[in-house]
Amino acid sequence: LAKTTQPISMDSYEGQEVNITCSHNNIATNDYITWYQQFPSQGPRFIIQGYKTKVTNEVASLFIPADRKSSTLSLPRVSLSDTAVYYCLVGDDGGATNKLIFGTGTLLAVQP
Amino acid sequence: EPEVTQTPSHQVTQMGQEVILRCVPISNHLYFYWYRQILGQKVEFLVSFYNNEISEKSEIFDDQFSVERPDGSNFTLKIRSTKLEDSAMYFCASNDGGLAGGQLDTQYFGPGTRLTVL
Repeated sequence: LAKTTQPISMDSYEGQEVNITCSHNNIATNDYITWYQQFPSQGPRFIIQGYKTKVTNEVASLFIPADRKSSTLSLPRVSLSDTAVYYCLVGDDGGATNKLIFGTGTLLAVQP
Repeated sequence: EPEVTQTPSHQVTQMGQEVILRCVPISNHLYFYWYRQILGQKVEFLVSFYNNEISEKSEIFDDQFSVERPDGSNFTLKIRSTKLEDSAMYFCASNDGGLAGGQLDTQYFGPGTRLTVL
């Protein structure tokens, strides 16, 4: 299971674009990269998943370079309500159930 | 939009007592999970459940823990004799099937039950 490394915290202001980078040097060929968001006292929530290049949905974009050893979650024009912990997860553990292995995540604090 | 629900939202119990945490997964989902998060720490996998049996469990999920799907809608986590260190948020999650090849199938989490053991 590939280990991921993210910054512990980031600060931003409303209206700015926020980019959170995750390192996963040991990513396996078949592994996808998935991001979850967790608000205080709530369960994690799926944001986006990708394999290579760029993926975009209504919430975020995910940029994955050709070597796939890192990825960047991009949140356009953040608001106060985007304050949360963001988790980068890679692949699965090879088991049958796709359990999620969370790291410590990145605490994004958005200020007015 | 369908969602996972959990009850109670907060449970306070005395050390040594049994607790049952309840979850109603999304109706057409086949895989069910319990995770826990101790205050200020990361989310930890406890157990996964499929086809009426445990698929996988972590080291945390010892003999004090058990899971059950007593009917077609509920999924429960029982802690037989609670300890102080069991105090945490417990999250239930579900999804509709595992994807192959390193792609993580989206899991849908409930709002959690905050368990406080005194």
